[in-house]
Amino acid sequence: GENVEQHPSTLSVQEGDSAVIKCTYSDSASNYFPWYKQELGKGPQLIIDIRSNVGEKKDQRIAVTLNKTAKHFSLHITETQPEDSAVYFCAASRGANNLFFGTGTRLTVIP
Amino acid sequence: EAGVTQSPTHLIKTRGQQVTLRCSPISGHTSVYWYQQALGLGLQFLLWYDEGEERNRGNFPPRFSGRQFPNYSSELNVNALELEDSALYLCASSSGRDTQYFGPGTRLTVL
Repeated sequence: GENVEQHPSTLSVQEGDSAVIKCTYSDSASNYFPWYKQELGKGPQLIIDIRSNVGEKKDQRIAVTLNKTAKHFSLHITETQPEDSAVYFCAASRGANNLFFGTGTRLTVIP
Repeated sequence: EAGVTQSPTHLIKTRGQQVTLRCSPISGHTSVYWYQQALGLGLQFLLWYDEGEERNRGNFPPRFSGRQFPNYSSELNVNALELEDSALYLCASSSGRDTQYFGPGTRLTVL
């Protein structure tokens, strides 16, 4: 089955700086890679996703890059704000199937 | 548009008891997924239902079961509760086009 590894497990940045979270996956057939943000006491919220036919996708301050050859993908958050503080999860799946999640990154943005 | 809803919000049970958790998907979504998130851990896939049928099952014992109703809502049943079943149980729905949207979860505590 798929195995998704995520690093780092914790990340602290100063407000305004950039944050980068990296994930690797094992199943070369995986073709869908979403990122979720989970705030305390809430369910995960989709923030951005990318499919395997695209190398990069950007949505305002958030971007995701995918390297299919190396089987890794990354989340980039620019101009971080205190409200970006949360746990971020990467995931991988083969299309409309169950997601395999990374172990999460706790991001703290220091005002 | 209403999001995924789950009930109850919190639940306290004792070892050996049985519990039923409920999920209503986003209108128009036919797939429902269940995930377990134990404290401090990532999300582990439990079950996937689509069009009333169980499509896939994660690495959990048979005492975890569920079903999907004709209106696409779903139940997760856990029999013979154990202490390690204490977790946040998350339901997600999709329209079969990859993107899964999560509900707020049900926090189950087993004493």
